[in-house]
Amino acid sequence: EVVLTQSPATLSLSPGERATLSCRASQSVSIYLAWYQQKPGQAPRLLIYDASNRATGIPARFSGSGSGTDFTLTISSLEPEDFAVYYCQQRTNWPPITFGQGTRLEI
Amino acid sequence: QVQVVQSGAEVKKPGASVKVSCKASGYTFTNYPMHWVRQAPGQRPEWVGWINTGNGNTQYSQNFQGRVTITRDTSESTAYMELSSLRSEDAAVYYCGRGDYMDVWGKGTTITVSS
Repeated sequence: EVVLTQSPATLSLSPGERATLSCRASQSVSIYLAWYQQKPGQAPRLLIYDASNRATGIPARFSGSGSGTDFTLTISSLEPEDFAVYYCQQRTNWPPITFGQGTRLEI
Repeated sequence: QVQVVQSGAEVKKPGASVKVSCKASGYTFTNYPMHWVRQAPGQRPEWVGWINTGNGNTQYSQNFQGRVTITRDTSESTAYMELSSLRSEDAAVYYCGRGDYMDVWGKGTTITVSS
Protein backbone atom coordinates (compact mmCIF):
# COMPACT_ATOMS: atom_id res chain seq x y z
CA GLU A 1 0.00 0.00 0.00
CA VAL A 2 1.27 3.46 -0.91
CA VAL A 3 1.46 5.73 2.13
CA LEU A 4 1.09 9.45 1.48
CA THR A 5 2.54 11.85 4.03
CA GLN A 6 1.49 15.49 3.89
CA SER A 7 3.29 18.44 5.41
CA PRO A 8 2.83 20.61 7.24
CA ALA A 9 -0.13 19.35 9.28
CA THR A 10 -1.32 22.93 9.72
CA LEU A 11 -0.37 26.02 7.75
CA SER A 12 -1.26 29.45 9.10
CA LEU A 13 -1.25 32.22 6.51
CA SER A 14 -3.08 35.40 5.61
CA PRO A 15 -5.15 36.26 2.53
CA GLY A 16 -2.91 37.35 -0.31
CA GLU A 17 0.00 35.16 0.79
CA ARG A 18 1.37 32.17 -1.09
CA ALA A 19 0.70 28.67 0.23
CA THR A 20 2.90 25.66 -0.47
CA LEU A 21 1.63 22.23 0.57
CA SER A 22 3.64 19.03 0.23
CA CYS A 23 2.78 15.38 -0.29
CA ARG A 24 5.35 12.60 -0.22
CA ALA A 25 4.65 9.04 -1.36
CA SER A 26 6.27 5.95 0.15
CA GLN A 27 6.99 4.70 -3.37
CA SER A 28 6.74 6.17 -6.82
CA VAL A 29 3.24 7.00 -8.01
CA SER A 30 4.50 8.46 -11.31
CA ILE A 31 2.17 11.40 -11.98
CA TYR A 32 -0.99 9.71 -10.73
CA LEU A 33 -1.67 12.03 -7.87
CA ALA A 34 -4.59 14.33 -7.14
CA TRP A 35 -5.30 17.15 -4.72
CA TYR A 36 -8.66 17.80 -3.09
CA GLN A 37 -10.02 20.65 -1.01
CA GLN A 38 -12.55 19.97 1.73
CA LYS A 39 -14.56 22.43 3.76
CA PRO A 40 -16.54 21.51 6.90
CA GLY A 41 -19.69 19.56 6.14
CA GLN A 42 -18.87 19.24 2.45
CA ALA A 43 -17.54 16.53 0.20
CA PRO A 44 -14.00 16.86 -1.07
CA ARG A 45 -13.57 18.87 -4.27
CA LEU A 46 -11.08 17.84 -6.94
CA LEU A 47 -8.53 20.59 -7.60
CA ILE A 48 -5.63 18.94 -9.43
CA TYR A 49 -5.28 15.58 -11.16
CA ASP A 50 -2.31 13.80 -12.72
CA ALA A 51 -0.09 15.96 -10.50
CA SER A 52 -0.40 19.19 -12.46
CA ASN A 53 -3.70 19.42 -14.32
CA ARG A 54 -6.36 21.73 -12.95
CA ALA A 55 -9.83 20.23 -12.76
CA THR A 56 -12.72 21.95 -14.50
CA GLY A 57 -13.59 25.28 -12.97
CA ILE A 58 -10.59 25.48 -10.66
CA PRO A 59 -9.01 28.95 -10.51
CA ALA A 60 -5.56 29.50 -11.97
CA ARG A 61 -4.12 30.40 -8.55
CA PHE A 62 -4.08 26.66 -7.79
CA SER A 63 -1.20 24.75 -9.33
CA GLY A 64 0.35 21.35 -8.81
CA SER A 65 3.79 19.97 -9.53
CA GLY A 66 5.94 16.93 -8.96
CA SER A 67 6.34 13.34 -10.01
CA GLY A 68 7.54 10.10 -8.53
CA THR A 69 7.41 10.57 -4.76
CA ASP A 70 7.37 14.33 -4.15
CA PHE A 71 4.48 16.62 -4.99
CA THR A 72 3.49 20.19 -4.26
CA LEU A 73 0.24 22.11 -4.32
CA THR A 74 0.72 25.86 -4.58
CA ILE A 75 -1.90 28.53 -4.06
CA SER A 76 -0.36 31.67 -5.45
CA SER A 77 -2.40 34.28 -3.58
CA LEU A 78 -4.81 33.08 -0.92
CA GLU A 79 -8.43 34.09 -1.07
CA PRO A 80 -10.65 33.88 2.03
CA GLU A 81 -12.49 30.88 0.58
CA ASP A 82 -9.26 28.88 0.25
CA PHE A 83 -8.97 28.22 3.98
CA ALA A 84 -9.86 24.55 4.25
CA VAL A 85 -8.30 21.08 4.54
CA TYR A 86 -6.34 19.74 1.58
CA TYR A 87 -5.75 16.08 0.82
CA CYS A 88 -3.54 14.36 -1.70
CA GLN A 89 -4.60 11.02 -3.19
CA GLN A 90 -2.82 8.46 -5.36
CA ARG A 91 -4.27 6.02 -7.86
CA THR A 92 -1.26 4.33 -9.39
CA ASN A 93 -0.66 1.24 -7.25
CA TRP A 94 -4.21 0.29 -6.46
CA PRO A 95 -6.17 -1.18 -4.90
CA PRO A 96 -6.18 0.46 -2.57
CA ILE A 97 -6.44 4.09 -3.53
CA THR A 98 -4.94 6.03 -0.63
CA PHE A 99 -5.20 9.54 0.76
CA GLY A 100 -2.78 11.62 2.77
CA GLN A 101 -3.67 12.70 6.28
CA GLY A 102 -4.40 16.24 5.19
CA THR A 103 -3.06 19.76 5.64
CA ARG A 104 -5.26 22.28 7.41
CA LEU A 105 -4.84 25.74 5.91
CA GLU A 106 -5.96 28.31 8.46
CA ILE A 107 -6.07 32.07 8.67
CA GLN B 1 -26.00 19.42 -14.84
CA VAL B 2 -23.69 16.60 -13.92
CA GLN B 3 -24.46 15.32 -10.46
CA VAL B 4 -24.68 12.26 -8.28
CA VAL B 5 -27.36 12.12 -5.61
CA GLN B 6 -27.03 9.81 -2.65
CA SER B 7 -29.68 8.25 -0.46
CA GLY B 8 -30.41 9.57 2.98
CA ALA B 9 -28.89 9.01 6.37
CA GLU B 10 -29.25 5.61 8.02
CA VAL B 11 -29.21 4.40 11.61
CA LYS B 12 -28.33 0.75 12.03
CA LYS B 13 -27.71 -1.67 14.85
CA PRO B 14 -24.41 -3.51 15.15
CA GLY B 15 -24.44 -6.61 12.97
CA ALA B 16 -26.96 -5.20 10.51
CA SER B 17 -26.39 -4.31 6.85
CA VAL B 18 -26.85 -1.03 5.02
CA LYS B 19 -27.22 -0.28 1.32
CA VAL B 20 -26.49 3.22 0.03
CA SER B 21 -27.47 4.38 -3.44
CA CYS B 22 -25.84 6.91 -5.73
CA LYS B 23 -27.93 8.09 -8.69
CA ALA B 24 -26.13 9.78 -11.55
CA SER B 25 -27.56 12.32 -13.95
CA GLY B 26 -26.34 14.72 -16.59
CA TYR B 27 -23.84 12.32 -18.16
CA THR B 28 -23.59 8.80 -19.57
CA PHE B 29 -23.42 6.64 -16.46
CA THR B 30 -21.51 3.78 -18.03
CA ASN B 31 -18.71 6.01 -19.33
CA TYR B 32 -17.27 6.66 -15.87
CA PRO B 33 -16.37 4.35 -12.98
CA MET B 34 -17.71 5.08 -9.52
CA HIS B 35 -15.70 5.03 -6.33
CA TRP B 36 -16.97 4.79 -2.79
CA VAL B 37 -15.09 6.55 -0.02
CA ARG B 38 -15.93 6.94 3.64
CA GLN B 39 -14.81 9.51 6.16
CA ALA B 40 -15.10 9.30 9.91
CA PRO B 41 -15.21 12.59 11.85
CA GLY B 42 -11.85 14.33 11.82
CA GLN B 43 -10.24 11.61 9.72
CA ARG B 44 -8.88 11.42 6.22
CA PRO B 45 -11.05 9.89 3.51
CA GLU B 46 -10.78 6.11 3.29
CA TRP B 47 -11.30 4.31 0.00
CA VAL B 48 -13.94 1.58 0.16
CA GLY B 49 -14.13 0.28 -3.38
CA TRP B 50 -14.84 0.92 -7.06
CA ILE B 51 -17.06 -0.32 -9.83
CA ASN B 52 -16.57 -0.21 -13.55
CA THR B 53 -20.09 0.90 -14.39
CA GLY B 54 -19.73 -0.39 -17.94
CA ASN B 55 -18.98 -4.04 -17.25
CA GLY B 56 -19.71 -4.29 -13.52
CA ASN B 57 -16.17 -5.24 -12.48
CA THR B 58 -15.33 -4.27 -8.92
CA GLN B 59 -12.34 -3.74 -6.66
CA TYR B 60 -12.53 -3.48 -2.88
CA SER B 61 -10.33 -2.40 -0.04
CA GLN B 62 -9.02 -5.35 1.93
CA ASN B 63 -9.84 -3.38 5.08
CA PHE B 64 -13.45 -4.49 4.72
CA GLN B 65 -12.65 -8.21 4.62
CA GLY B 66 -15.45 -9.17 2.26
CA ARG B 67 -18.15 -7.14 4.04
CA VAL B 68 -18.67 -4.68 1.19
CA THR B 69 -20.43 -5.22 -2.13
CA ILE B 70 -20.72 -2.59 -4.85
CA THR B 71 -23.23 -3.04 -7.66
CA ARG B 72 -24.87 -0.94 -10.30
CA ASP B 73 -28.14 -0.74 -12.19
CA THR B 74 -27.42 0.78 -15.58
CA SER B 75 -31.11 1.19 -16.37
CA GLU B 76 -31.39 3.48 -13.36
CA SER B 77 -27.90 5.05 -13.67
CA THR B 78 -27.40 4.12 -10.06
CA ALA B 79 -24.55 2.59 -8.12
CA TYR B 80 -24.99 0.88 -4.78
CA MET B 81 -22.70 0.15 -1.86
CA GLU B 82 -23.76 -2.47 0.66
CA LEU B 83 -21.86 -2.97 3.89
CA SER B 84 -22.71 -5.89 6.14
CA SER B 85 -21.93 -6.94 9.72
CA LEU B 86 -21.83 -3.31 10.77
CA ARG B 87 -19.62 -2.30 13.68
CA SER B 88 -19.42 0.93 15.63
CA GLU B 89 -16.26 1.85 13.74
CA ASP B 90 -18.20 1.80 10.46
CA ALA B 91 -19.99 4.98 11.53
CA ALA B 92 -18.97 7.61 8.99
CA VAL B 93 -20.08 9.67 6.04
CA TYR B 94 -20.05 7.55 2.89
CA TYR B 95 -19.49 9.26 -0.45
CA CYS B 96 -19.69 8.16 -4.03
CA GLY B 97 -17.36 9.85 -6.49
CA ARG B 98 -17.31 9.71 -10.26
CA GLY B 99 -14.36 8.93 -12.44
CA ASP B 100 -10.79 7.68 -12.26
CA TYR B 101 -10.21 10.78 -10.20
CA MET B 102 -13.31 11.70 -8.24
CA ASP B 103 -14.37 14.84 -10.05
CA VAL B 104 -18.04 14.73 -9.04
CA TRP B 105 -19.03 13.73 -5.53
CA GLY B 106 -22.31 13.08 -3.83
CA LYS B 107 -23.14 15.07 -0.71
CA GLY B 108 -22.53 12.03 1.43
CA THR B 109 -24.67 9.58 3.40
CA THR B 110 -24.23 9.48 7.16
CA ILE B 111 -24.27 5.97 8.60
CA THR B 112 -24.77 5.74 12.35
CA VAL B 113 -24.21 2.41 14.07
CA SER B 114 -25.76 2.21 17.48
CA SER B 115 -27.52 -0.34 19.61
